[in-house]
Amino acid sequence: NAGVMQNPRHLVRRRGQEARLRCSPMKGHSHVYWYRQLPEEGLKFMVYLQKENIIDESGMPKERFSAEFPKEGPSILRIQQVVRGDSAAYFCASSPTGTDSPLHFGNGTRLTVT
Amino acid sequence: AQSVTQLDSHVSVSEGTPVLLRCNYSSSYSPSLFWYVQHPNKGLQLLLKYTSAATLVKGINGFEAEFKKSETSFHLTKPSAHMSDAAEYFCVVTYGGSQGNLIFGKGTKLSVKP
Repeated sequence: NAGVMQNPRHLVRRRGQEARLRCSPMKGHSHVYWYRQLPEEGLKFMVYLQKENIIDESGMPKERFSAEFPKEGPSILRIQQVVRGDSAAYFCASSPTGTDSPLHFGNGTRLTVT
Repeated sequence: AQSVTQLDSHVSVSEGTPVLLRCNYSSSYSPSLFWYVQHPNKGLQLLLKYTSAATLVKGINGFEAEFKKSETSFHLTKPSAHMSDAAEYFCVVTYGGSQGNLIFGKGTKLSVKP
């Protein structure tokens, strides 16, 4: 039973390019969460999605960031026109329900903006 | 605003000695509390969780934590450290129904000396 799969593991982008991070939740999980971890910091919530719906995006920057979780396929976190400050580890987590079930985390995508 | 404070950014112990990682949270009527562990370049793994049942919670790998409402604390302990315990540990709190909007502490790096 595969866990939460994130790819790529490492992503290098130049300033101004776009970054697309993918997350496939565990089998049977329909709730996906994205978190960002800056160096020396804990994880910060970004967005919570169910299939085809954004439930809570209170942690998403207002510009350049977007997320989707289509009916088919992985969840995508998209960062347009990346800047150096976007360099971080981005973690995806999934759960079977939105309440009372622990999250299962992927190994993260480490984004480096040069 | 809800918050969680991990009192030590680094803790160093010798193998075979007890481990204590401290965590305090801001008071709330019904917090759920978790400890996650993150090994280098890995995702987060749930160690244990408290959701208003027994105040002493046993987790994996011999870890346990005690919920003390009077002290708003949820310290993580282990009687005897093992080299494989060296990792970063995050205390996490969430309030209300959604488990997705977790609030992470800044983490405590545990070093284990031979």
